[in-house]
Amino acid sequence: DIQMTQSPSSLSASVGDRVTITCRASQGMSDYLAWYQQKPGRVPKLLIYAASILQSGVPSRFSGSGSGTDFTLTIISLQPEDVATYYCQKYNSGPPTWTFGQGTKVEIK
Amino acid sequence: QVQLQQSGPGLVKPSQTLSLTCAISGDSVSSNSAAWNWIRQSPSRGLEWLGRTYYRSKWYSDYALSVKGRITVNPDTSKNQFSLQLNSVTPEDTAVYYCAVGNLYFESWGQGTLVTVSS
Repeated sequence: DIQMTQSPSSLSASVGDRVTITCRASQGMSDYLAWYQQKPGRVPKLLIYAASILQSGVPSRFSGSGSGTDFTLTIISLQPEDVATYYCQKYNSGPPTWTFGQGTKVEIK
Repeated sequence: QVQLQQSGPGLVKPSQTLSLTCAISGDSVSSNSAAWNWIRQSPSRGLEWLGRTYYRSKWYSDYALSVKGRITVNPDTSKNQFSLQLNSVTPEDTAVYYCAVGNLYFESWGQGTLVTVSS
Protein backbone atom coordinates (compact mmCIF):
# COMPACT_ATOMS: atom_id res chain seq x y z
CA ASP A 1 0.00 0.00 0.00
CA ILE A 2 1.09 3.53 -0.78
CA GLN A 3 1.48 5.76 2.27
CA MET A 4 1.26 9.54 2.22
CA THR A 5 3.05 11.28 5.08
CA GLN A 6 2.34 14.93 5.78
CA SER A 7 4.35 17.20 8.01
CA PRO A 8 3.82 18.89 10.29
CA SER A 9 0.60 17.41 11.67
CA SER A 10 -0.31 20.86 12.98
CA LEU A 11 1.09 24.37 12.97
CA SER A 12 0.30 27.77 14.39
CA ALA A 13 1.36 30.89 12.50
CA SER A 14 0.63 34.61 12.47
CA VAL A 15 -1.45 36.43 9.88
CA GLY A 16 0.84 37.33 6.98
CA ASP A 17 3.30 34.49 7.63
CA ARG A 18 4.51 32.14 4.95
CA VAL A 19 3.34 28.58 5.68
CA THR A 20 4.74 25.41 4.15
CA ILE A 21 3.27 21.91 4.37
CA THR A 22 5.06 18.89 2.96
CA CYS A 23 3.75 15.56 1.71
CA ARG A 24 5.88 12.53 0.99
CA ALA A 25 4.68 9.45 -0.90
CA SER A 26 6.11 6.04 -0.06
CA GLN A 27 6.26 5.24 -3.76
CA GLY A 28 5.23 6.51 -7.16
CA MET A 29 6.86 8.48 -9.91
CA SER A 30 3.79 10.34 -11.14
CA ASP A 31 2.83 13.94 -10.35
CA TYR A 32 -0.83 13.09 -9.83
CA LEU A 33 -0.90 14.96 -6.53
CA ALA A 34 -3.66 17.21 -5.19
CA TRP A 35 -4.16 19.39 -2.13
CA TYR A 36 -7.50 19.90 -0.36
CA GLN A 37 -8.65 22.37 2.27
CA GLN A 38 -11.23 21.31 4.85
CA LYS A 39 -12.59 24.00 7.13
CA PRO A 40 -14.16 22.89 10.41
CA GLY A 41 -17.50 21.21 9.79
CA ARG A 42 -17.18 21.61 6.02
CA VAL A 43 -16.58 19.44 2.99
CA PRO A 44 -13.05 19.10 1.55
CA LYS A 45 -12.35 21.55 -1.25
CA LEU A 46 -9.87 20.97 -4.09
CA LEU A 47 -7.16 23.67 -4.03
CA ILE A 48 -4.39 22.38 -6.28
CA TYR A 49 -4.08 19.47 -8.71
CA ALA A 50 -1.29 17.99 -10.82
CA ALA A 51 1.03 19.13 -8.02
CA SER A 52 1.04 22.82 -9.01
CA ILE A 53 -2.12 23.85 -10.90
CA LEU A 54 -4.44 26.12 -8.96
CA GLN A 55 -8.12 25.13 -9.10
CA SER A 56 -10.36 27.85 -10.50
CA GLY A 57 -11.35 30.42 -7.87
CA VAL A 58 -8.58 29.55 -5.41
CA PRO A 59 -6.62 32.61 -4.18
CA SER A 60 -3.16 33.03 -5.66
CA ARG A 61 -1.54 33.02 -2.20
CA PHE A 62 -1.78 29.22 -2.44
CA SER A 63 0.84 27.39 -4.50
CA GLY A 64 2.03 23.83 -4.95
CA SER A 65 5.30 22.31 -6.05
CA GLY A 66 7.20 19.04 -6.16
CA SER A 67 7.43 15.86 -8.16
CA GLY A 68 7.91 12.13 -7.75
CA THR A 69 7.53 11.46 -4.05
CA ASP A 70 8.02 14.90 -2.42
CA PHE A 71 5.46 17.70 -2.66
CA THR A 72 4.84 21.05 -0.97
CA LEU A 73 1.85 23.31 -0.37
CA THR A 74 2.72 26.94 0.38
CA ILE A 75 0.52 29.76 1.63
CA ILE A 76 2.59 32.86 0.98
CA SER A 77 0.64 35.15 3.32
CA LEU A 78 -1.58 33.37 5.82
CA GLN A 79 -5.08 34.84 6.24
CA PRO A 80 -7.64 34.21 9.01
CA GLU A 81 -9.92 32.42 6.54
CA ASP A 82 -7.15 29.88 5.85
CA VAL A 83 -7.72 28.20 9.22
CA ALA A 84 -8.41 24.61 8.15
CA THR A 85 -6.97 21.16 7.84
CA TYR A 86 -5.05 20.54 4.61
CA TYR A 87 -4.76 17.13 2.97
CA CYS A 88 -2.61 15.84 0.15
CA GLN A 89 -3.93 13.10 -2.12
CA LYS A 90 -2.10 10.97 -4.66
CA TYR A 91 -3.39 8.88 -7.51
CA ASN A 92 -1.54 5.78 -8.64
CA SER A 93 -2.50 3.53 -11.54
CA GLY A 94 -2.41 -0.24 -11.94
CA PRO A 95 -4.75 -0.90 -10.10
CA PRO A 96 -6.08 2.60 -9.55
CA THR A 97 -5.76 3.83 -5.96
CA TRP A 98 -6.30 7.20 -4.32
CA THR A 99 -4.46 7.80 -1.05
CA PHE A 100 -4.80 10.77 1.30
CA GLY A 101 -2.32 12.14 3.79
CA GLN A 102 -3.31 12.32 7.44
CA GLY A 103 -3.81 16.08 7.34
CA THR A 104 -2.13 19.24 8.63
CA LYS A 105 -4.15 21.47 10.91
CA VAL A 106 -3.37 25.17 10.41
CA GLU A 107 -4.25 27.67 13.13
CA ILE A 108 -3.68 31.37 13.68
CA LYS A 109 -1.27 32.33 16.46
CA GLN B 1 -20.39 23.27 -11.83
CA VAL B 2 -21.50 19.79 -10.82
CA GLN B 3 -23.61 19.58 -7.67
CA LEU B 4 -24.05 16.38 -5.68
CA GLN B 5 -26.84 15.74 -3.17
CA GLN B 6 -26.55 12.74 -0.87
CA SER B 7 -29.36 10.82 0.81
CA GLY B 8 -29.63 7.76 3.00
CA PRO B 9 -29.94 6.60 6.62
CA GLY B 10 -27.59 7.78 9.32
CA LEU B 11 -27.86 4.66 11.46
CA VAL B 12 -27.18 1.08 10.37
CA LYS B 13 -27.11 -2.05 12.54
CA PRO B 14 -24.01 -4.26 12.63
CA SER B 15 -23.96 -6.99 9.94
CA GLN B 16 -26.50 -5.10 7.84
CA THR B 17 -26.02 -3.14 4.59
CA LEU B 18 -25.17 0.55 4.39
CA SER B 19 -26.91 2.18 1.42
CA LEU B 20 -26.44 5.76 0.22
CA THR B 21 -27.45 7.61 -2.93
CA CYS B 22 -25.88 10.60 -4.65
CA ALA B 23 -28.04 12.67 -7.02
CA ILE B 24 -26.19 14.57 -9.76
CA SER B 25 -27.03 17.96 -11.23
CA GLY B 26 -24.96 19.77 -13.84
CA ASP B 27 -23.67 16.60 -15.48
CA SER B 28 -24.75 13.10 -16.45
CA VAL B 29 -23.86 9.90 -14.65
CA SER B 30 -23.35 8.49 -18.19
CA SER B 31 -20.77 11.16 -19.07
CA ASN B 32 -17.80 9.79 -21.02
CA SER B 33 -15.41 12.03 -19.12
CA ALA B 34 -16.50 11.91 -15.47
CA ALA B 35 -16.08 9.35 -12.71
CA TRP B 36 -18.35 9.04 -9.69
CA ASN B 37 -16.74 8.21 -6.37
CA TRP B 38 -17.44 7.38 -2.74
CA ILE B 39 -15.04 8.50 -0.02
CA ARG B 40 -15.34 8.25 3.73
CA GLN B 41 -13.74 10.08 6.65
CA SER B 42 -13.28 8.92 10.21
CA PRO B 43 -10.94 9.93 13.05
CA SER B 44 -9.27 6.50 13.00
CA ARG B 45 -8.85 6.04 9.22
CA GLY B 46 -8.77 9.63 7.94
CA LEU B 47 -9.96 10.19 4.37
CA GLU B 48 -10.35 6.89 2.53
CA TRP B 49 -11.39 6.40 -1.10
CA LEU B 50 -13.84 3.49 -1.34
CA GLY B 51 -14.90 3.02 -4.94
CA ARG B 52 -16.13 4.53 -8.17
CA THR B 53 -18.22 3.91 -11.27
CA TYR B 54 -17.79 5.47 -14.69
CA TYR B 55 -18.95 5.09 -18.28
CA ARG B 56 -16.56 4.78 -21.22
CA SER B 57 -18.75 3.12 -23.88
CA LYS B 58 -19.60 0.61 -21.16
CA TRP B 59 -19.80 0.71 -17.37
CA TYR B 60 -16.75 0.16 -15.18
CA SER B 61 -16.16 0.11 -11.44
CA ASP B 62 -13.09 0.11 -9.20
CA TYR B 63 -12.94 -0.61 -5.48
CA ALA B 64 -10.47 -0.14 -2.67
CA LEU B 65 -8.84 -3.35 -1.45
CA SER B 66 -9.89 -2.50 2.10
CA VAL B 67 -13.60 -2.95 1.24
CA LYS B 68 -13.46 -5.14 -1.87
CA GLY B 69 -15.96 -7.97 -1.62
CA ARG B 70 -18.30 -5.87 0.53
CA ILE B 71 -18.86 -2.84 -1.71
CA THR B 72 -20.92 -2.08 -4.80
CA VAL B 73 -21.13 1.30 -6.55
CA ASN B 74 -23.88 1.41 -9.16
CA PRO B 75 -25.16 4.03 -11.58
CA ASP B 76 -28.86 4.78 -11.98
CA THR B 77 -29.26 6.40 -15.36
CA SER B 78 -33.04 6.83 -15.03
CA LYS B 79 -32.55 9.14 -12.00
CA ASN B 80 -29.10 10.52 -12.89
CA GLN B 81 -27.59 9.32 -9.65
CA PHE B 82 -25.27 6.67 -8.28
CA SER B 83 -25.30 4.59 -5.14
CA LEU B 84 -23.09 2.95 -2.54
CA GLN B 85 -23.83 -0.36 -0.90
CA LEU B 86 -21.50 -1.65 1.81
CA ASN B 87 -22.39 -5.06 3.21
CA SER B 88 -21.72 -6.69 6.57
CA VAL B 89 -20.92 -3.43 8.32
CA THR B 90 -19.21 -3.24 11.70
CA PRO B 91 -18.65 -0.30 14.06
CA GLU B 92 -15.35 0.25 12.18
CA ASP B 93 -17.44 1.46 9.22
CA THR B 94 -18.78 4.39 11.23
CA ALA B 95 -17.73 7.50 9.31
CA VAL B 96 -18.84 10.51 7.31
CA TYR B 97 -19.46 9.26 3.77
CA TYR B 98 -19.04 11.58 0.78
CA CYS B 99 -19.80 11.22 -2.87
CA ALA B 100 -17.46 13.09 -5.21
CA VAL B 101 -16.86 13.60 -8.92
CA GLY B 102 -13.45 13.36 -10.54
CA ASN B 103 -11.03 11.08 -12.34
CA LEU B 104 -7.59 11.73 -10.83
CA TYR B 105 -8.79 14.30 -8.28
CA PHE B 106 -12.09 15.07 -6.57
CA GLU B 107 -13.44 18.34 -7.92
CA SER B 108 -16.86 18.50 -6.28
CA TRP B 109 -18.17 16.73 -3.20
CA GLY B 110 -21.56 15.95 -1.74
CA GLN B 111 -22.53 17.41 1.61
CA GLY B 112 -21.51 14.29 3.55
CA THR B 113 -23.60 11.81 5.54
CA LEU B 114 -22.62 10.68 9.03
CA VAL B 115 -23.33 6.95 9.17
CA THR B 116 -23.17 5.31 12.57
CA VAL B 117 -23.02 1.53 12.84
CA SER B 118 -24.64 0.57 16.11
CA SER B 119 -27.32 -1.74 17.46
